[in-house]
Amino acid sequence: QVQLQESGPGLVKPSETLSLTCSVSGGPLRSSYFYWGWVRQPPGRGLEWIGSVFHSGYSYTNPALRSRVTVSGDTSKNQFSLRLISVTAADTAIYYCARWGGPGSGNYFDSWGQGILVTVSS
Amino acid sequence: QSALAQPASVSGSPGQSVTISCTGTTNDIGGNSYVSWSQHHPHKAPRLVIYDVDKRPSGVSDRFSGSKSGNTASLTISGLQPEDAADYYCTSSTISNTVLFGTGTALTVL
Repeated sequence: QVQLQESGPGLVKPSETLSLTCSVSGGPLRSSYFYWGWVRQPPGRGLEWIGSVFHSGYSYTNPALRSRVTVSGDTSKNQFSLRLISVTAADTAIYYCARWGGPGSGNYFDSWGQGILVTVSS
Repeated sequence: QSALAQPASVSGSPGQSVTISCTGTTNDIGGNSYVSWSQHHPHKAPRLVIYDVDKRPSGVSDRFSGSKSGNTASLTISGLQPEDAADYYCTSSTISNTVLFGTGTALTVL
């Protein structure tokens, strides 16, 4: 059973960069079947997909966030990361990392981390 | 891209059945068979309960079932149990190979 755990700062200042890491255990990041992705949930609101990356580096990103988001993987550490630049209060959310089956027939998130609350505030 | 539309809340008594709808467009739900549903309890990791419209992952009770008609997908939970109380989100692939979530539905077990 694969397990995921988010880590990173819980407080980021406006205009700065949000950086989170997801550590994967119980399965290799270098999987031929899965992507690794990020989903967020602002307080009191619904889920928003941010982006997902394959071990090769190929990624899919939410068009609404594309200009500010980078999702990348490090197979040597079995981790993947999220980088979101120029944050504002609207980026305050619980951030989840999750394993994604990919576009089309793999469109499901079958393993999730517990989530990490990131607050954007000065 | 707008979120898929779900009712804000549904409720049912123990033992009853409830159905949660998820409505999209021909660019997402109506254009593929890749709808999934996840269960979210506070302070717990979310759990996948249905994928590919009507398939259950290993370990998920057969009280959970999924279906789709046109642009609308549905999740039915039969024989409601107190532990089913949670938020439920649908997810769909889109023609642009992106992911859309539903607006979320809070299930109350009375």
